Amino acid sequence: GNSVTQMEGPVTLSEEAFLTINCTYTATGYPSLFWYVQYPGEGLQLLLKATKADDKGSNKGFEATYRKETTSFHLEKGSVQVSDSAVYFCALRGGKIIFGKGTRLHILP
Amino acid sequence: DAGVIQSPRHEVTEMGQEVTLRCKPISGHNSLFWYRQTMMRGLELLIYFNNNVPIDDSGMPEDRFSAKMPNASFSTLKIQPSEPRDSAVYFCASSLDQTPTDTQYFGPGTRLTVL
Repeated sequence: GNSVTQMEGPVTLSEEAFLTINCTYTATGYPSLFWYVQYPGEGLQLLLKATKADDKGSNKGFEATYRKETTSFHLEKGSVQVSDSAVYFCALRGGKIIFGKGTRLHILP
Repeated sequence: DAGVIQSPRHEVTEMGQEVTLRCKPISGHNSLFWYRQTMMRGLELLIYFNNNVPIDDSGMPEDRFSAKMPNASFSTLKIQPSEPRDSAVYFCASSLDQTPTDTQYFGPGTRLTVL
């Protein structure tokens, strides 16, 4: 069946550091891929998505590229801010959506 | 624009009591999802509806849990009787439809504590 694996956290970085959160998937067919973010005390909200191979999703300085050859959708940001501290979820949707376990990110000032 | 609305935001109850969580999806969305989030198990899909019809309830833990969607603008998740292990944050989400490209929009969640 379909599955999503993302790197375990927590990830702790200093402000302005480069961020990568790895996400790989297993799927049949042609799923869409998503990154959601959850700030403390809130529900998940969409950060970016890509619906077909080689698509790049981007938002708020974050980006991720749908790589079919490596079955990956890694999240990157060139310079993180304290306000980026949150939990990030990689997700796949073929039929129903499947979420990874989440990666907690701490950014130190 | 109103997002997904959930009530109550917090619920504290005693073991054995009935608990009802409520959700109002975004107007015009045809799919509605109920999730449970805990530290141990992460985010779990409990059930989802499309056009008010339950499509997949394989994530519902046991018979104590039930969900209904009587119309396009309202859904409930009921736990009867509640147990301490049901303590979690319950999220409702909606999407335009159930196609793979559709984004899910989450409510703020209900934090349930069962004593």
